[in-house]
Amino acid sequence: DGGITQSPKYLFRKEGQNVTLSCEQNLNHDAMYWYRQDPGQGLRLIYYSQIVNDFQKGDIAEGYSVSREKKESFPLTVTSAQKNPTAFYLCASSIDPGTPGNTIYFGEGSWLTVV
Amino acid sequence: DAKTTQPNSMESNEEEPVHLPCNHSTISGTDYIHWYRQLPSQGPEYVIHGLTSNVNNRMASLAIAEDRKSSTLILHRATLRDAAVYYCILRDLNAGGTSYGKLTFGQGTILTVHP
Repeated sequence: DGGITQSPKYLFRKEGQNVTLSCEQNLNHDAMYWYRQDPGQGLRLIYYSQIVNDFQKGDIAEGYSVSREKKESFPLTVTSAQKNPTAFYLCASSIDPGTPGNTIYFGEGSWLTVV
Repeated sequence: DAKTTQPNSMESNEEEPVHLPCNHSTISGTDYIHWYRQLPSQGPEYVIHGLTSNVNNRMASLAIAEDRKSSTLILHRATLRDAAVYYCILRDLNAGGTSYGKLTFGQGTILTVHP
């Protein structure tokens, strides 16, 4: 079945560690996104990528990094520079980001907790 | 970016219709109106979208005011599985800059469905 796969579902990070969240899609979508969601809050955009080898900062990119070496993959690294990383992270994709009528599809999310 | 305003919460009984309102008084002529919903600890799920005309699909109906400054998501017969946070989002046709394809999520409306 086509969809977006995020892994791991749950991740614990020690202070000062970098961690990478995986996002893979087999929908052949051009655009991919990473959002962060804090409890009881809406989603905030971290990074987005329109095509392979290109990505742009969203509203809260500080302390995060991404890569887009393959169309189907858009991993997110939460670096030690991110001071408050505990949150629910959502990856998403869409066919053509320039067409606002297109649907954006989301993965199931990854919970990151700092211990 | 144009903003949306939704009630924090609404309640309904099972099998009854639900009307979820959304105000977007600063909407531009190129903004599509999207609705997504999110169950606890899951990624948001697309519900419906429209531009000017009312829209129907298997999940819901979208009624858009003539001046486009408000819209209403209609669930014709609420079920317990419809209990979720519902987000009303404007998606800009403008393909330039940081608004390129991204969704701006507010806090949404928490819908509670009583058996």
